[in-house]
Amino acid sequence: NAGVTQTPKFRILKIGQSMTLQCTQDMNHNYMYWYRQDPGMGLKLIYYSVGAGITDKGEVPNGYNVSRSTTEDFPLRLELAAPSQTSVYFCASSYSAGAGGNSPLHFGNGTRLTVT
Amino acid sequence: QKEVEQNSGPLSVPEGAIASLNCTYSDRGSQSFFWYRQYSGKSPELIMFIYSNGDKEDGRFTAQLNKASQYVSLLIRDSQPSDSATYLCAVMDSSGAGSYQLTFGKGTKLSVIP
Repeated sequence: NAGVTQTPKFRILKIGQSMTLQCTQDMNHNYMYWYRQDPGMGLKLIYYSVGAGITDKGEVPNGYNVSRSTTEDFPLRLELAAPSQTSVYFCASSYSAGAGGNSPLHFGNGTRLTVT
Repeated sequence: QKEVEQNSGPLSVPEGAIASLNCTYSDRGSQSFFWYRQYSGKSPELIMFIYSNGDKEDGRFTAQLNKASQYVSLLIRDSQPSDSATYLCAVMDSSGAGSYQLTFGKGTKLSVIP
């Protein structure tokens, strides 16, 4: 039972490089999310998706792009990496939007990204 | 800007004591409230959720909600060293069109001393 799988676990980027953070879930969840977490801070929503082909901006979308071509996959793209994007990135999914007991957020293990 | 405020701690309690974690939120229209636990270097996991004013108990955990005061708390009874973690308060923003975004607080770090 894989749940939400994120790759890579760690990555170091140089300023200006680009990369894609991969996220896949095998629970047939409609809703998927990307969060970033800076040290000592809570999670900030970057982008979310309510189903294949539908994405929307969260609180901190600048510098990122997403796509949702399938129910399972929700990759996050960084086009021109900047030091401000150094963070831990979490992908999450849920069956519905309620996020409550019958549809909790399932988080991946995170990707630790450093931009230097 | 919707805000969720938590005391960052650290909050230290002796083993067996009650740990009390507090959270306030700015959006009076918020309807759903969540507590997540996050161990160092790990991803958050849902502990409790609460929708209605009052108390909700689940084992050693009790969530309390007071919408008039815009206040939600988490009580951990008989605290154990394994409860040592950061606790994140999250509030659901039903901003229409089914968007439903969670706004997280910065978290309170709890340390249970054996």
